[in-house]
Amino acid sequence: ETGVTQSPTHLIKTRGQQVTLRCSSQSGHNTVSWYQQALGQGPQFIFQYYREEENGRGNFPPRFSGLQFPNYSSELNVNALELDDSALYLCASSLQRDRITDTQYFGPGTRLTVL
Amino acid sequence: DAKTTQPNSMESNEEEPVHLPCNHSTISGTDYIHWYRQLPSQGPEYVIHGLTSNVNNRMASLAIAEDRKSSTLILHRATLRDAAVYYCILRDQAGTALIFGKGTTLSVSS
Repeated sequence: ETGVTQSPTHLIKTRGQQVTLRCSSQSGHNTVSWYQQALGQGPQFIFQYYREEENGRGNFPPRFSGLQFPNYSSELNVNALELDDSALYLCASSLQRDRITDTQYFGPGTRLTVL
Repeated sequence: DAKTTQPNSMESNEEEPVHLPCNHSTISGTDYIHWYRQLPSQGPEYVIHGLTSNVNNRMASLAIAEDRKSSTLILHRATLRDAAVYYCILRDQAGTALIFGKGTTLSVSS
């Protein structure tokens, strides 16, 4: 069983640029969630996709957007990058049988640095 | 969303039990208590979850107070590999997101 993978591992961008981060879900999982983790903080929920539809969103501006593909892989896009967007971006996949108890399996994250 | 309160840090010695506390005084009747941990340079990983009764699995035990306003994650014999940030989480009402706080940083000494 392949776990959750993310690419790239590290990324450096400049302010105002756009970035796309990618996530491959664990085999058989139909739900993907994205989180942002600033240094020294816990992860913050960005949004979740279930069967290619956005299924919930945290307190993030519209310049954070996402996609989920038929094979349940996912992308996180961030436009007009700001310095505060520098963080570890985590993807988590799950099989949504019971929302309140289903386990989310996290990837290792993509470290984004905005200069 | 109901919130949790955890100590910032705790220390333990290898092969000793560790009790990690969590307060959640505003928990609702349908909120499940979840614990995740994040090892250095890794994404969080699931540890355990429960609703009312105490729970055990191969990684840990979860003791839930009778009034559900607090809970304790128990690692029966800490190892160096258990050094991590431990997060106590209440699932939100929509059940969509994991709402993380700052967690407890556990240090384990040999």
